[in-house]
Amino acid sequence: AQSVSQHNHHVILSEAASLELGCNYSYGGTVNLFWYVQYPGQHLQLLLKYFSGDPLVKGIKGFEAEFIKSKFSFNLRKPSVQWSDTAEYFCAVNAGSSNTGKLIFGQGTTLQVKP
Amino acid sequence: DAGVIQSPRHEVTEMGQEVTLRCKPISGHNSLFWYRQTMMRGLELLIYFNNNVPIDDSGMPEDRFSAKMPNASFSTLKIQPSEPRDSAVYFCASSNTGLLNYGYTFGSGTRLTVV
Repeated sequence: AQSVSQHNHHVILSEAASLELGCNYSYGGTVNLFWYVQYPGQHLQLLLKYFSGDPLVKGIKGFEAEFIKSKFSFNLRKPSVQWSDTAEYFCAVNAGSSNTGKLIFGQGTTLQVKP
Repeated sequence: DAGVIQSPRHEVTEMGQEVTLRCKPISGHNSLFWYRQTMMRGLELLIYFNNNVPIDDSGMPEDRFSAKMPNASFSTLKIQPSEPRDSAVYFCASSNTGLLNYGYTFGSGTRLTVV
């Protein structure tokens, strides 16, 4: 069965620090990968996604993620975080062979950015 | 497009009462998903529909939970009878699996409190 693992449950950073959130998935075939963000009290919003092509994907608000197939990883990065990046971040995977669009989500990582 | 619309935004009910949550997916999306989010369990997929047909309801916690999708523009999640442990935020999401884009669009959620 597919699964998604996010290594960090709670990350605390100061503004301007660099961010990297880990995400690993278990599925040997073609995958589509996503990062979602949930700001306090809000719903999940899509940050970025990977389907094919360049493994370095750029999303909104300066976020990017790199797909490393050999490591089954899709880590999220941002060179310099802001206080407004405080949120919960979810990695998700959809197996390419699935035709129902079902996404498997990781447990989420809470990011707290101190001003 | 107004996005995925959920109602009500907040619901407070007494234990034993019936609760009905509603969702209107994005027009043209053919898959609909119900998730429950709690601090303890994170995001749990309860059930999803493809072309109005329930595909996988293995995440539905008990027989007290039921979901329907009578047409492409409406779905309900019903809890009868409700219990305090059902307190959570319930999200509905929709997607179009006919495209290569399998990303979901989430609704704003219904915050359910059972007292």
